[in-house]
Amino acid sequence: NAGVTQTPKFRVLKTGQSMTLLCAQDMNHEYMYWYRQDPGMGLRLIHYSVGEGTTAKGEVPDGYNVSRLKKQNFLLGLESAAPSQTSVYFCASRVSPGYDEQFFGPGTRLTVL
Amino acid sequence: SQELEQSPQSLIVQEGKNLTINCTSSKTLYGLYWYKQKYGEGLIFLMMLQKGGEEKSHEKITAKLDEKKQQSSLHITASQPSHAGIYLCGAASNSNSGYALNFGKGTSLLVTP
Repeated sequence: NAGVTQTPKFRVLKTGQSMTLLCAQDMNHEYMYWYRQDPGMGLRLIHYSVGEGTTAKGEVPDGYNVSRLKKQNFLLGLESAAPSQTSVYFCASRVSPGYDEQFFGPGTRLTVL
Repeated sequence: SQELEQSPQSLIVQEGKNLTINCTSSKTLYGLYWYKQKYGEGLIFLMMLQKGGEEKSHEKITAKLDEKKQQSSLHITASQPSHAGIYLCGAASNSNSGYALNFGKGTSLLVTP
């Protein structure tokens, strides 16, 4: 199993550009999450999904959209990138809402100029 | 919302020394997770504690959840350079956030020769 994978690993955008981050998991997990990690702020939840076709807002959803058309994929979109969105983005998944492990991807480092 | 405070924020220890990292919650913990993050990489699951007084060990790392379930400690015995990284504690949230984990801001550990 590849676990949780993220593409791309690095990206540099100019202000106003758009892009999509892809998260894929091959563990048949129902729950998927997008976090951002910033110095001094820790990990903050952007959006999450509790199953195929469902998405919901997390703690810091503004400026982002998500889609979960297939169970294994969770996409994070930035329609008009801003410098404040410079961050490291992590995707995670888990099989159930119980007290089980949440698996993380390797992260995407995004810089918005 | 539940807040997790980690202490210390950073730690520099000499190889071979023992160390302890603390994680204190503003609310009762129903599932406390410890992750390790190598610099520039993703999060690696270490262990999860659920019951008051519970203690788990993995190699030279031991984590404990206090009886009141509001504080956890992570202890490393005879530290090695491979232990260097950022240690994050996370708490299970409720259905309002899809059971995502809330994280502390992390403790940065450097082990010197």
